[in-house]
Amino acid sequence: DTAVSQTPKYLVTQMGNDKSIKCEQNLGHDTMYWYKQDSKKFLKIMFSYNNKELIINETVPNRFSPKSPDKAHLNLHINSLELGDSAVYFCASSPAPQQPQHFGDGTRLSIL
Amino acid sequence: GEDVEQSLFLSVREGDSSVINCTYTDSSSTYLYWYKQEPGAGLQLLTYIFSNMDMKQDQRLTVLLNKKDKHLSLRIADTQTGDSAIYFCAERGGADGLTFGKGTHLIIQP
Repeated sequence: DTAVSQTPKYLVTQMGNDKSIKCEQNLGHDTMYWYKQDSKKFLKIMFSYNNKELIINETVPNRFSPKSPDKAHLNLHINSLELGDSAVYFCASSPAPQQPQHFGDGTRLSIL
Repeated sequence: GEDVEQSLFLSVREGDSSVINCTYTDSSSTYLYWYKQEPGAGLQLLTYIFSNMDMKQDQRLTVLLNKKDKHLSLRIADTQTGDSAIYFCAERGGADGLTFGKGTHLIIQP
């Protein structure tokens, strides 16, 4: 039983395209997150979403937008993909803000 | 600002204890975390400690917290080859998420 699941696991696309990554959690958690891990394994928070409130890390370009159709899902949309967007993107969830987070297996995005 | 520091590499012999150290800056963190990432895999929540505790033990894992010095450590007893991974220390961060250290690559020598 996968707790936090992301699709696709791998995404290869060309610069300038628009793509989405889906995330679903079956833990009944109220808060979901997106993180970016670069080629050096450095992890950075991008967004958190709790009770319809979105908190954005100010360093994230506005080409990135999270969408939450319901409490169990937080999808990530990326417009006009750039080479620097190549990374592994992790979705996570927690019962509430500031509580232990559980991560998905990641989506490896490669921009050609 | 928020900053979590940890050494990038640690090499130990199989069977020895591994101690991974971390310093953090946000004294308001309710929890402090250790995550494990194996090659090509996601992040596994290994353990965490509540900020009003000094120590937490869970089988081979011991977490020590020194709030005065803002120092967190993870000790792995009887290190095995399966412990080879990147270990990330994390504290409360911006956007209600976590701020991670750069990760310590634990290398196990036979």
